[in-house]
Amino acid sequence: AQSVTQLGSHVSVSEGALVLLRCNYSSSVPPYLFWYVQYPNQGLQLLLKYTSAATLVKGINGFEAEFKKSETSFHLTKPSAHMSDAAEYFCAVSSYSGSARQLTFGSGTQLTVLP
Amino acid sequence: EPEVTQTPSHQVTQMGQEVILRCVPISNHLYFYWYRQILGQKVEFLVSFYNNEISEKSEIFDDQFSVERPDGSNFTLKIRSTKLEDSAMYFCASRAGATNEKLFFGSGTQLSVL
Repeated sequence: AQSVTQLGSHVSVSEGALVLLRCNYSSSVPPYLFWYVQYPNQGLQLLLKYTSAATLVKGINGFEAEFKKSETSFHLTKPSAHMSDAAEYFCAVSSYSGSARQLTFGSGTQLTVLP
Repeated sequence: EPEVTQTPSHQVTQMGQEVILRCVPISNHLYFYWYRQILGQKVEFLVSFYNNEISEKSEIFDDQFSVERPDGSNFTLKIRSTKLEDSAMYFCASRAGATNEKLFFGSGTQLSVL
């Protein structure tokens, strides 16, 4: 079975500071990994994904994540936080079951950006 | 960008009542999903649907739950007799094809069971 652990249910950073959201995964097969963002009253929006190509993945809104197999990690970073980045972020791993892929999500990290 | 649409955005019901949550997936997508998120907990997989049948379901998806694609556009989740613990945000999602990893999510239906 595959699983995802997100360290830190709440992270606060100052505007302009580095954002680092941690995600560790467990998978018996090479994983596909994702970061989703959820803004208030909205659905889950894909930020970026790792699908066994480049280990450093760039996403939307200046976010990127690095796949590190040795550490089973897929941490999300952004060099300079913006107020609009305040949201909940979910790391997810994809498993393939029959004809359908499904996602297993982490518990989420609420990012607060302080002025 | 195309969107997955869910209605209603909020649903309040009495315990024991039936509810139907509605979703309109993206029109050329073939794989459909329901997930739910209980307040303060993880987003959990409920069920996947392809070719007019359930392809996978979690242990949460018991006999009280059913899904249907009644026509070419809608994808519904029915809870036959709601329980207090069914209160959650329910997300519909769709995917274009088996090899396309990107899941498009709707904005969710907040179900409150009283």
